[in-house]
Amino acid sequence: AQTVTQSQPEMSVQEAETVTLSCTYDTSESDYYLFWYKQPPSRQMILVIRQEAYKQQNATENRFSVNFQKAAKSFSLKISDSQLGDAAMYFCALTSGSRLTFGEGTQLTVNP
Amino acid sequence: EPEVTQTPSHQVTQMGQEVILRCVPISNHLYFYWYRQILGQKVEFLVSFYNNEISEKSEIFDDQFSVERPDGSNFTLKIRSTKLEDSAMYFCASKKESYEQYFGPGTRLTVT
Repeated sequence: AQTVTQSQPEMSVQEAETVTLSCTYDTSESDYYLFWYKQPPSRQMILVIRQEAYKQQNATENRFSVNFQKAAKSFSLKISDSQLGDAAMYFCALTSGSRLTFGEGTQLTVNP
Repeated sequence: EPEVTQTPSHQVTQMGQEVILRCVPISNHLYFYWYRQILGQKVEFLVSFYNNEISEKSEIFDDQFSVERPDGSNFTLKIRSTKLEDSAMYFCASKKESYEQYFGPGTRLTVT
């Protein structure tokens, strides 16, 4: 069975500052992908960034980057230069080919 | 850019009634999924569908639920006799061959 844990129900950051959201996971599979999804108040699920487990290099997408620690089964999301539009619920998710398993989510508030 | 669409955006129904939620996946995608999210909770996998049959289902997906791909474009989720606890956001997702699933905007189901 796969599990994903986000231990921070809420986080806040000042506009233009950097924030890191934590995620740990567990899987017995050797081949898997990890994702961060953003869910604004509209509740649409928007893919932010993905990481292939076989890649050692951390993924980056503009202001978003991850710190993937495979041995520790940790997958954190760093948001640099935070903007008001980054305010949302963020979900960490894991798949080894079929279903996505999601964490509980972290509600991010961006303060002006 | 192609996207997954879902209709209706909001459905209100009475307990015991049947509902059908509709999804149009991205046209060249082969794998289809339904997820649900009860308000304030994490996203949960319901079922996956490939090659015109269910490939995996969760313990939530009991006999009250069914899925169908009635033609080449639609993918539906039917709930036979709705209960209050079925009130949730239902997301459809699809993917081609890779691990990346693309989500629709969701249908908010309210059972009264």
